Amino acid sequence: GDSVTQMEGPVTLSEEAFLTINCTYTATGYPSLFWYVQYPGEGLQLLLKATKADDKGSNKGFEATYRKETTSFHLEKGSVQVSDSAVYFCALSDIRSSGSARQLTFGSGTQLTVLP
Amino acid sequence: EAQVTQNPRYLITVTGKKLTVTCSQNMNHEYMSWYRQDPGLGLRQIYYSMNVEATDKGDVPEGYKVSRKEKRNFPLILESPSPNQTSLYFCASSPGQSSNSPLHFGNGTRLTVT
Repeated sequence: GDSVTQMEGPVTLSEEAFLTINCTYTATGYPSLFWYVQYPGEGLQLLLKATKADDKGSNKGFEATYRKETTSFHLEKGSVQVSDSAVYFCALSDIRSSGSARQLTFGSGTQLTVLP
Repeated sequence: EAQVTQNPRYLITVTGKKLTVTCSQNMNHEYMSWYRQDPGLGLRQIYYSMNVEATDKGDVPEGYKVSRKEKRNFPLILESPSPNQTSLYFCASSPGQSSNSPLHFGNGTRLTVT
């Protein structure tokens, strides 16, 4: 079945540092890929997405490129801020093998703390 | 404001006492789903619904029930809660079945079963 492997945390960076959170996936079909962010006490929010190979998703200075050849969707940001402190989830969306329903598979999440 | 609303936010109960967590969305979304979030495991899908009166099991459905009598509501029912159901629960919705559609999440319900 589908799976998502995400870089283990926690990750602690100083403000303005470069961020990379690695994400690789296994899928049988042609999935869409997402990054979600979870701030303390809140639900997950969509950060960015890519729906086909070589697509680049971007939002709020974050970027991720859908790499089919390496089955990866690494999240990057050139200069992090304290307000970026949150948990980041990589996710894959595909169609279930049992029928037509969608299936969303999440990575285990990476806690990011940015220090001033 | 477009949102997914879950209630309650926090719930402490005892083993075996039936409970319901409500979920409502005001975006006319067809697809709704319940997840549980546990440390180190990410989010795992419990049940999902593709439309009214159409529900199906996710990856971890044991011990849970759902219903979808109206498009906006998708309650999660624990008939006889057990301590291993202590978790953080999220309801989510999306406009349709396409795998491109992102999910909109509620703010979560933290359940403790003693």
